[in-house]
Amino acid sequence: GQNIDQPTEMTATEGAIVQINCTYQTSGFNGLFWYQQHAGEAPTFLSYNVLDGLEEKGRFSSFLSRSKGYSYLLLKELQMKDSASYLCAAPRTSGDSNYQLIWGAGTKLIIKP
Amino acid sequence: DGGITQSPKYLFRKEGQNVTLSCEQNLNHDAMYWYRQDPGQGLRLIYYSQIVNDFQKGDIAEGYSVSREKKESFPLTVTSAQKNPTAFYLCASSLTSGGLDTQYFGPGTRLTVL
Repeated sequence: GQNIDQPTEMTATEGAIVQINCTYQTSGFNGLFWYQQHAGEAPTFLSYNVLDGLEEKGRFSSFLSRSKGYSYLLLKELQMKDSASYLCAAPRTSGDSNYQLIWGAGTKLIIKP
Repeated sequence: DGGITQSPKYLFRKEGQNVTLSCEQNLNHDAMYWYRQDPGQGLRLIYYSQIVNDFQKGDIAEGYSVSREKKESFPLTVTSAQKNPTAFYLCASSLTSGGLDTQYFGPGTRLTVL
């Protein structure tokens, strides 16, 4: 089967850097998404990686290693507004609902002053 | 402004009642989705539609029904057959289906069964 794993919760300090990891187990690969979700709100798109390496978008960067089944989201210069859950998702590669996204449970990031 | 709207934001239902959640998008997207989010779990796919007048069951379709009569609209009915309907429901859309296009989400409806 396919599975996505993320840490449940992380704490970091305002102004610091934090890395949120995501590991996936799939028989194939069609890319990996990261979304941000503030409490009680809709998820919003952050990044989509399909090739190995690091992609940078301002304070946020996303890294992918297909050989290791591993991705991370790197947040720099943390701000209080970055307190949110970060969701990792990947398209399925087999079975019913093929190509539909399978989602990790999300990592709740708590930023402390 | 283009986007996805869901209504209502909060909904309360008595046991045994059916209730319909609205989802509308003006992004001209072909594909639409309904997810359920429970604490400590990833988003779970209820139903999805790749095109008007067509939809498929997701992982947890039992107790739910949908229709896709218009491109812009994808309402979800939570029936009395759904044993544990209290949850946060999210509607999303993407340009095409298949998981490779970015999905954009509505603000969600929080359903509570009393």
